[in-house]
This record gives sequence, C-alpha cells and structure tokens, in this order.
Amino acid sequence: DQQVKQNSPSLSVQEGRISILNCDYTNSMFDYFLWYKKYPAEGPTFLISISSIKDKNEDGRFTVFLNKSAKHLSLHIVPSQPGDSAVYFCAARRGAFGNEKLTFGTGTRLTIIP
Amino acid sequence: ETGVTQSPTHLIKTRGQQVTLRCSSQSGHNTVSWYQQALGQGPQFIFQYYREEENGRGNFPPRFSGLQFPNYSSELNVNALELDDSALYLCASNPYGEDRVFGSGTRLTVV
Repeated sequence: DQQVKQNSPSLSVQEGRISILNCDYTNSMFDYFLWYKKYPAEGPTFLISISSIKDKNEDGRFTVFLNKSAKHLSLHIVPSQPGDSAVYFCAARRGAFGNEKLTFGTGTRLTIIP
Repeated sequence: ETGVTQSPTHLIKTRGQQVTLRCSSQSGHNTVSWYQQALGQGPQFIFQYYREEENGRGNFPPRFSGLQFPNYSSELNVNALELDDSALYLCASNPYGEDRVFGSGTRLTVV
C-alpha cells in the first residue's frame, strides 16, 4: 500500500524556468511533510518541510504548497538551475515529537536542461 | 560531509549469510534510524533507536535487528539474507526531535 505517491518518475525543465514536483498521499493522519533531494552515491539531503497547519512554506528558491483537502503537495523551484538536477523524494510523518518514521514516495528525477 | 558515516560503502553477500552494516553519527545525535531503499523505490523505514533502545519499527521481519552504542555509533544486522535484501541501506541520525542527517548508504548485493 503506497501511502505517498509521486506519479511522475521524471521531469525535464529548461534552466531558468519553474520546476514543479508533485506528491499525493492517502493517509490523513500524516501531519508533517518533507522534501529531500538525492544525488547519486549520496544520502538524501533535506530541502524544505511543511506542517499540516500551514498551506505554504518558502525558503529561497524553494516553495512547498500543501492542499490538505486534496491530500496533495507540490515543490516549486524557481528559477531552476543545473545543480538542481537530482532525484527528489517527498516524505510524510505522522505526529509524535521524536517519531523518526518517514514514509517516502518513489521519487522524481529532475533534469535541468542548460 | 554530513557527519554521518556509513561503512562499508559496498558489500556482496551470499544468500543465507549474515551481514552487519555500521553507522557513525555526530556527537549528540542520540536518535538513529535505518532505511532500506530498493532499486527504483523510495527509502523504507526499518527501525529507530533512541538512547540505545529500539523505539519504533517498520514492516520488517525480526531477522533485521540493530544496536546503538553510547559513542553515537550504530549497527544494522540482517540474518539469513535473501535476494530481495539487495538494496541501499541508509542510516540517519539527529538529536531527539530535530532534523535528521542521512549518511551516503551501504549498497548491499545478495547473490
């Protein structure tokens, strides 16, 4: 049962344009969401997160939007840069301070075209 | 350099064997969690340890076990290896309740 889904395995975007990565979830008990970026031969690196009490969180070029009613979140990267080429994972967590269990999606490979 | 070091980076084992993977965390990182990432999949939570005790487990059988030591290092042990255990194993650590840092992983191949 895939509780966190990233339906686009890959995405190509022109440098300087906006990249939009999407994620859907089924478990309504999830209340904290994170995006990670992963380069080959490296572990996932935290990008940005959002609590379920918010609908938007911004950090520099990265913005995450959460639509609770649709159980959907998206990551916007603008402007996209060649160094953004990587695999992006959406992850969700259910309550409890100190709960380390993250449920990940299958990832989207983003390629930025110079 | 994330401060979380995993060893070895690559490992080949035979079906039925046992394996121990190691993780060394930063000082103060009293919480460690382990994930399995199969090819083409996202990481799957195996378990977490806090102050040397397991306090959360995912949907993995008991042949997956772990240890956490006072010096902020930890181990993942897998007994009776199966072909499907071939995956990237990721360790993540953090001070309790704070953001986790992932290591680069150990690529295990079971033949």
